[in-house]
Amino acid sequence: DQQVKQNSPSLSVQEGRISILNCDYTNSMFDYFLWYKKYPAEGPTFLISISSIKDKNEDGRFTVFLNKSAKHLSLHIVPSQPGDSAVYFCAASDTGNQFYFGTGTSLTVIP
Amino acid sequence: DAGVIQSPRHEVTEMGQEVTLRCKPISGHDYLFWYRQTMMRGLELLIYFNNNVPIDDSGMPEDRFSAKMPNASFSTLKIQPSEPRDSAVYFCASSQGIGGYTFGSGTRLTVV
Repeated sequence: DQQVKQNSPSLSVQEGRISILNCDYTNSMFDYFLWYKKYPAEGPTFLISISSIKDKNEDGRFTVFLNKSAKHLSLHIVPSQPGDSAVYFCAASDTGNQFYFGTGTSLTVIP
Repeated sequence: DAGVIQSPRHEVTEMGQEVTLRCKPISGHDYLFWYRQTMMRGLELLIYFNNNVPIDDSGMPEDRFSAKMPNASFSTLKIQPSEPRDSAVYFCASSQGIGGYTFGSGTRLTVV
């Protein structure tokens, strides 16, 4: 059973607007979360992380929000750029070693 | 560092044949993970090693799948016999302790 869920398989956003990618998890013991970006024919690359002691982490245009009570995290990209078009995976762990990944959301940023 | 190196990049094989996927983790990383990417399940963890020892292989789908890590710089994932439903992209990743992984570029396996 999927412990980490990304319910939107795809998302299209106009260049310059905000992209919001959502992720839900079921295990309340998860306390460390990652977002990865994946381009075609490449391996996923680390984007941003957050631990449960924080509810927000920001890195340039990328911000991750964590709502532990709702078991929900989201990735905001502002402003979105065409180069952001990729598949985004969220991942969660309770140990920091073994991560459970979602099914991914394919983001298309339209110029 | 060259990153996590996987070979081959692409593999096409006939049903029933043995397939071996290879991975060289980043030097100094003590964790190695094998993932499979499919449309339905995203990135599925198959097995992971810590200091060359298999820790959790509960994600290995069947006895047809096996993985080894004979030393800190090399791991293999073997499928014998292969079936069309094994077609997927297989990723190897490594990490040092707690934190994010570094993924290889993956092996796209097609079983016909």
